[in-house]
Order: sequence, then structure tokens, then C-alpha cells
Amino acid sequence: ETGVTQTPRHLVMGMTNKKSLKCEQHLGHNAMYWYKQSAKKPLELMFVYNFKEQTENNSVPSRFSPECPNSSHLFLHLHTLQPEDSALYLCASSRTLSGSANTGELFFGEGSRLTVL
Amino acid sequence: EDKVVQSPLSLVVHEGDTVTLNCSYEVTNFRSLLWYKQEKKAPTFLFMLTSSGIEKKSGRLSSILDKKELFSILNITATQTGDSAVYLCAVNTGNQFYFGTGTSLTVIP
Repeated sequence: ETGVTQTPRHLVMGMTNKKSLKCEQHLGHNAMYWYKQSAKKPLELMFVYNFKEQTENNSVPSRFSPECPNSSHLFLHLHTLQPEDSALYLCASSRTLSGSANTGELFFGEGSRLTVL
Repeated sequence: EDKVVQSPLSLVVHEGDTVTLNCSYEVTNFRSLLWYKQEKKAPTFLFMLTSSGIEKKSGRLSSILDKKELFSILNITATQTGDSAVYLCAVNTGNQFYFGTGTSLTVIP
């Protein structure tokens, strides 16, 4: 138990479906992140939210739409995905986003394994 | 372009062996370097390094950072099958964390 909870753990969807991934953290952190993890590739940062405000969007296609209603919750809305979007989607949080070396580490959820048919 | 490179990509050793995993980086604004262990679930935190030459140690695992040569190593002594995992290196630049591809370690009995 890392304090970051992701649901669902597994998701299979067709290319025309709309689904959402949910992330919740109970650590009192102010920054939350979505990462995509594909085989043989580094973790790819998708979005960063700091105090509910989006600070990074790493050229992510619009078929991925994030939402951060408060500092504890983060969603990733999925629409008309492609098979190459199949991957493990990891949510993470950290105490702060930027500044000193005391930012500390990222705490990860267990991921949502997405398969797009 | 900021990047983190890990080597080797994969490694197979026998129980009891000692392994050294490498992480080199090129970033414009270095804050800290972190090591994570990932089995079939969430990456779990191992070490955070901010200063050169100071070894961090936890049981059989240790790590050190060289900010002049821009690399870090993670050592695991007397490896066990439970050490089998992907080891991830990440660099915090202040506005995000850059990850390497990871090193996949397999320890065989």
C-alpha cells in the first residue's frame, strides 16, 4: 500500500469506447502525475498537476484528457483510443513539484493496465 | 534534451552474485537522482541522492552519485531471487522526473 490508489487495475476497451482511469492519493501531496509505461521504453510523462493546476502536457494526443478536481484526485479520460495506446498507466504523487532537493520522491500507484482492441 | 540512460538493459545472474547497475544523465537542471524497484506492480522507492560521493545504503543495496561525471550506480550484493525486478533510475529537474528505460535483473537460484 503506497497511499496512491488506482482504479481500475485492468481495462479492455474498443477503439470507439469512452472510459476513465481514476487515481486517488491519501498522502496530502500537492503534485500528481500521469505516466505511460510501454514495453522497452522509459516511463513517459503525460501530465502534471500542481495544486490542481496543469503544469505539463507532454504533447499528449487529445484522445487523452486529464481532470484534477482537487489535490487528492486525478482522472484520465480516454476516448477513441488506438491499439498503440495499450500500456500500463501509472499515477504518481509528490509532496511538492519544484524547488529544493527536498522535493522528495514520487509515490506510485499500482497502475491501470489498458488494452485497446 | 534532458535524458537518462540506464545500462545494462537486462542482466541475468546467479544467487549470491554482486551486480552493479548504471545510470547516466544529461539534464539542464539537476535536483536529485532516485532509484526505484519495480516488480509486477507499482515502482517502490529505494534511494534519493543529491550529493556526490555520499553512499546511501540499505541492507544489501547501496548507491552513490557522481555529479561531475553525471552518473550513479546501484550495487546489490549477495543477490537473492527476490531481487529480480526492473530497476528504474529517475532524475528530478524541479518541474518533472525523467526516467531511464530500466534494467531488468533476473536472479536464478
